[in-house]
Amino acid sequence: EAQVTQNPRYLITVTGKKLTVTCSQNMNHEYMSWYRQDPGLGLRQIYYSMNVEVTDKGDVPEGYKVSRKEKRNFPLILESPSPNQTSLYFCASRPGLAGYNEQFFGPGTRLTVL
Amino acid sequence: QQQVKQSPQSLIVQKGGISIINCAYENTAFDYFPWYQQFPGKGPALLIAIRPDVSEKKEGRFTISFNKSAKQFSLHIMDSQPGDSATYFCAASMHSGYSTLTFGKGTMLLVSP
Repeated sequence: EAQVTQNPRYLITVTGKKLTVTCSQNMNHEYMSWYRQDPGLGLRQIYYSMNVEVTDKGDVPEGYKVSRKEKRNFPLILESPSPNQTSLYFCASRPGLAGYNEQFFGPGTRLTVL
Repeated sequence: QQQVKQSPQSLIVQKGGISIINCAYENTAFDYFPWYQQFPGKGPALLIAIRPDVSEKKEGRFTISFNKSAKQFSLHIMDSQPGDSATYFCAASMHSGYSTLTFGKGTMLLVSP
């Protein structure tokens, strides 16, 4: 089944404890990105990647890191999480760089930072 | 600067009624306007999309109306059903070349039985 998977789905952690949220897609998509969803703020892009080893900042990159060493994987790293990073996170991928390509979202990771 | 403004933030419609969600954009370079639907506990999924060379696109009970001069587009859900209860996001991007999707803030739709 073609899909975007994320792990973990739920995570409760404490301030300052490094964590990684994994994202993997099995559709051979070039483009991958991370979003956070907060009430009243909608979906905001954190980072995106146009191909292996090519990443760039989105609208809200502060406090996050990403890497794209393989085409299928795009992990999101929080080196020192803070409570304001409590949010619902979505990984997404699409087959090409052009805007008309359908974007496929993962099921989400709900993160709570205490 | 919010490039895509979406309203209302929430909407309650009776079963069988028409749900209408509106979006306005600022960047005249945008030429692709998708709508994504998100059910609770799930990621958003593409519902329907339109390009500005047409003023309307219909897929089943879902219709996008597009007004290029006003830089506005809207989603109409005819004969709304409880199963349509979800959050709806409008978005905009450029059709060709690399472009990121710019999302509206979302509308929570509740269709009452």
